[in-house]
Amino acid sequence: AQSVAQPEDQVNVAEGNPLTVKCTYSVSGNPYLFWYVQYPNRGLQFLLKYITGDNLVKGSYGFEAEFNKSQTSFHLKKPSALVSDSALYFCAVRPYSSASKIIFGSGTRLSIRP
Amino acid sequence: EAGVVQSPRYKIIEKKQPVAFWCNPISGHNTLYWYRQNLGQGPELLIRYENEEAVDDSQLPKDRFSAERLKGVDSTLKIQPAELGDSAVYLCASSLLGQGVSYEQYFGPGTRLTVT
Repeated sequence: AQSVAQPEDQVNVAEGNPLTVKCTYSVSGNPYLFWYVQYPNRGLQFLLKYITGDNLVKGSYGFEAEFNKSQTSFHLKKPSALVSDSALYFCAVRPYSSASKIIFGSGTRLSIRP
Repeated sequence: EAGVVQSPRYKIIEKKQPVAFWCNPISGHNTLYWYRQNLGQGPELLIRYENEEAVDDSQLPKDRFSAERLKGVDSTLKIQPAELGDSAVYLCASSLLGQGVSYEQYFGPGTRLTVT
């Protein structure tokens, strides 16, 4: 079965420290991978994607993610967290077999304390 | 560029009543999605359109849910009759599908449905 897993329901980080939000996937073929962020009472906002090429991709708001094919992971990272980064983060994968369907993870709540 | 527009933003209805949600995708986007998001969970796909064709409606509870995409642009999602378990946020998203283009989806703000 094709799926994406976010093993942590919540991640707590002090402002200024680096943050990592984990994501692993299970799909056949080469995956397309995405990260989205959701603020309270808002729709999901696209952060970044991996399609092909460099394993380290950079996105909005200073976030980046590293594609690791051997570990089937796509962890979201930021060198220095801001309180405003506090939100719900979703990893998503597009199976190779689907032209447009995207499967979302269950989400990780990121909380940045001042 | 205008984003995905959804209306209404909030809806409260009694169980067994009908309800409809409307979505206007980003201009030029040929793929449209309806998702249901329960509190604290990720979006779950209900139906996916490529142009006017519903290419994936396997997760749509067809006994009470229906959807249409008029002329390959706007879309309406209907529930009739609503049940208590239908309380959720209904998200619409659109994307541009084609060779050499990216596949990220752009989401509307959602409609929060409360069934009492």
